[in-house]
Amino acid sequence: GAGVSQSPSNKVTEKGKDVELRCDPISGHTALYWYRQSLGQGLEFLIYFQGNSAPDKSGLPSDRFSAERTGGSVSTLTIQRTQQEDSAVYLCASSLMAGANTEAFFGQGTRLTVV
Amino acid sequence: KNEVEQSPQNLTAQEGEFITINCSYSVGISALHWLQQHPGGGIVSLFMLSSGKKKHGRLIATINIQEKHSSLHITASHPRDSAVYICAVNSGTYKYIFGTGTRLKVLA
Repeated sequence: GAGVSQSPSNKVTEKGKDVELRCDPISGHTALYWYRQSLGQGLEFLIYFQGNSAPDKSGLPSDRFSAERTGGSVSTLTIQRTQQEDSAVYLCASSLMAGANTEAFFGQGTRLTVV
Repeated sequence: KNEVEQSPQNLTAQEGEFITINCSYSVGISALHWLQQHPGGGIVSLFMLSSGKKKHGRLIATINIQEKHSSLHITASHPRDSAVYICAVNSGTYKYIFGTGTRLKVLA
């Protein structure tokens, strides 16, 4: 596609429910990142996928969070048993390849509200 | 102390003013990025810098590697420039380290 696409754009869920957030990266981009931006906070790294390599999950805040990337393209971030502190904007980004000097392109984000 | 610090945190300007947003970092970097985040959350990459200066329209970004400092300038500011501007650095890996952003409001 023309850009990184995320869905849904907004999600309100009840505490304790599971949610799935979807990211469609730019076609051909091998690197995909998930970030989280809590209210009033900076962006926080969650997880990174690069090609067929094992993902870097070091930023996931708890074992309730998981992500997968199928076929090296679409990625899904799953949050189980959501808590109010999970409320945030979840941003996905992709880049052509891994590396410090490669520009990342961001999606519009999914605003998650846990009530 | 955050590894990436931005100033000011909030900035209100009148249309037409020259605006400067500053970013200082304490880690060694391979590249520095300036991002723009509009209300609603979407982020656009404005610049990627590893040295010197870049210009795009009314936006100018500079970086001083020795001083570990970068500035984003907006000339002839306009209300549509109102957004959060975020400085992010790559310290040699794929991970970005983000500043907390500068919230800019340009009044007509």
